[in-house]
Amino acid sequence: QVQLVESGGDLVKPGGSLRLSCAASGFTFSDYYMSWIRQAPGKGLEWLSYISSDGTIIYYAESVKGRFTISRDNSKNSLFLQMNSLRAEDTAVYYCARVISSSAWTGLGYWGQGTLVTVSS
Amino acid sequence: QLALTQSPSASASLGASVKLTCTLSSGRSNFAITWHQQRPEKGPRYLMKLNSDGSHTKGDGIPDRFSGSSSGAERYLTISSLQSEDEADYYCQTWGTGFGVFGGGTKLTVL
Repeated sequence: QVQLVESGGDLVKPGGSLRLSCAASGFTFSDYYMSWIRQAPGKGLEWLSYISSDGTIIYYAESVKGRFTISRDNSKNSLFLQMNSLRAEDTAVYYCARVISSSAWTGLGYWGQGTLVTVSS
Repeated sequence: QLALTQSPSASASLGASVKLTCTLSSGRSNFAITWHQQRPEKGPRYLMKLNSDGSHTKGDGIPDRFSGSSSGAERYLTISSLQSEDEADYYCQTWGTGFGVFGGGTKLTVL
C-alpha cells in the first residue's frame, strides 16, 4: 500500500535552515508528481510546492518562493524540502502528498503523517 | 487567482445526513476538486475526486456513506448515516498549472 513518511522536523531559530525528507513506498515513485503542504497550529491546509515525476517541473506558493526548494531522488524514492531563512510564521506541520494519477499534476490522493517544524528563538 | 470557499462550521445529528459545500471562484466552474477529511490530531485523508459533472472517484476504503455531487461552481460532499467518527475537518482542494489551493475547511460536529 502507498506509504509516505516525513522526517526532519525540528526546533530551529529564525533565519535558520532545515531539510525535510519524505520516504515513499508501495508505488512506483518515479511515475508521480509530489507535493508539500503545511498546516500552521489551529489553521487550515496551505499548498506550498509541487514537483513533476522527473523533477523538471517545479512550482511554489508565493509565501515560500525564493526561500524553499523542493527536490526529489527517484533512485531513493525520496522527496525533499529545503527550507531557508525560516520565520516564525513557517511554524507548522509539514505534509508530503502524492497525486492521484500518474504523470500529471492532479488532485492529491495520498498523505504522509506530517512532521512538525517550530521556528522560535 | 482561483479560490475555494467553505463554510467554517456545520453540524448534524448522529444517523442523519449532512451536505458540505465548496464553492469555486467566479469563472472556474469547470474545475474538478478533491475532498479530504482530517480527524482531530490526525493527518488529512483523501476522500474523493469530484468532477464538474458530478462524477467522482473515491479513495481506498472510503465508505458508501460518502458521496459527491456538483452544480455549477458548487461542489458538494454528502455524508449519510452520520457516525461519531465523521466528526472532523473537511477540506476541498483544486489545482492547475503552477498552483494548488485549499478551501478554508469546514469543521463538522456530530451532535
